[in-house]
Amino acid sequence: GAVVSQHPSRVICKSGTSVKIECRSLDFQATTMFWYRQFPKKSLMLMATSNEGSKATYEQGVEKDKFLINHASLTLSTLTVTSAHPEDSSFYICSATLAGVLETQYFGPGTRLLVL
Amino acid sequence: QQPVQSPQAVILREGEDAVINCSSSKALYSVHWYRQKHGEAPVFLMILLKGGEQKGHEKISASFNEKKQQSSLYLTASQLSYSGTYFCGTVSVQGAQKLVFGQGTRLTINP
Repeated sequence: GAVVSQHPSRVICKSGTSVKIECRSLDFQATTMFWYRQFPKKSLMLMATSNEGSKATYEQGVEKDKFLINHASLTLSTLTVTSAHPEDSSFYICSATLAGVLETQYFGPGTRLLVL
Repeated sequence: QQPVQSPQAVILREGEDAVINCSSSKALYSVHWYRQKHGEAPVFLMILLKGGEQKGHEKISASFNEKKQQSSLYLTASQLSYSGTYFCGTVSVQGAQKLVFGQGTRLTINP
């Protein structure tokens, strides 16, 4: 149980385009989903916390207009990187939890974004 | 504030034991342990919710010293499959309730 999927697993795009990443909880309803970013050989940095039906809470330093998060249902959250630039290239990982941050977070397989 | 993990890296021979420590400057509500292999997402190992709690998972176990605000992950009789980077994540009692990850400990198991 507790499977989280992400799509796509890998994406290459040109600078200036927008990229949408989907995060789905396959066998449970996730009240809360989280989006992380990870640079090579670095730790996971929380970008935003997403609750179904409400606006996402962004961490300090994360641009809301650049990283659009939509949590339309209890099983789906999307992250859209708008007008992507090479510095946005990274490994983006989502996680989902049944009952908020105090409980176990189950991670998706991640999406590797390369912006040319 | 990010918890501090030690050591940063460790190299073992198969069958040896390892301890990874995670320390926080804040009072903790919970400690979460994950293992991540190269190019993959972190995999949940265990969560410790109470001070003094010790949990086990096959040959991998962990303890949580609430008073010292630290947790340790114990890997006994290590197997090749244990290789990867181990992250602790902490949720503080006060302040913003979010999971903050340490910088990671890279574990290499050689045959």
